[in-house]
Amino acid sequence: GQQLNQSPQSMFIQEGEDVSMNCTSSSIFNTWLWYKQDPGEGPVLLIALYKAGELTSNGRLTAQFGITRKDSFLNISASIPSDVGIYFCAGLNNNNDMRFGAGTRLTVKP
Amino acid sequence: DVKVTQSSRYLVKRTGEKVFLECVQDMDHENMFWYRQDPGLGLRLIYFSYDVKMKEKGDIPEGYSVSREKKERFSLILESASTNQTSMYLCASSEGGVGYGYTFGSGTRLTVV
Repeated sequence: GQQLNQSPQSMFIQEGEDVSMNCTSSSIFNTWLWYKQDPGEGPVLLIALYKAGELTSNGRLTAQFGITRKDSFLNISASIPSDVGIYFCAGLNNNNDMRFGAGTRLTVKP
Repeated sequence: DVKVTQSSRYLVKRTGEKVFLECVQDMDHENMFWYRQDPGLGLRLIYFSYDVKMKEKGDIPEGYSVSREKKERFSLILESASTNQTSMYLCASSEGGVGYGYTFGSGTRLTVV
């Protein structure tokens, strides 16, 4: 199936730093979503993007739906220890197929 | 608060056993999904269902089957568990139609020994 390339695989940052991660695909998606998975839990939806070029914020999180519809990025500003977890991008195409990236594991050092 | 509940958080089973993983959602969602999550591989779709008694194979259905007798319940069955099925299993549900995000359960970590 379609693959989403998510990078970086992992990040080790200091508390207070900003974080940026992205997802790219060779195929077009109609919806991009970003999830966060806390240790031992299932992924939880953070942000959903429905239109090319859309920029959406949720607190310290900002995500954008790329103009080409083949990419998306997520920024976290002023990271805090509870930001630790795995962040997944997901794309939904017009056949209602959802594809996930492999995840970005974020570690925040106090 | 909407919920997807997976019956077990941790399971240890022996090779060759038949294993049932249960998932129940209380949101009246039409769509339900089973994924497995392995380090470096992300989430891979095993099976999904868009309606009661309906099932479709995902990307990695081999060694698995599913059952959806009621709208709220979607069961994943490992017919004869093997050690390479040791993984985290995640159930998810979503509303019908296009463009809706998934609500995930907390996962079942299955170890096959």
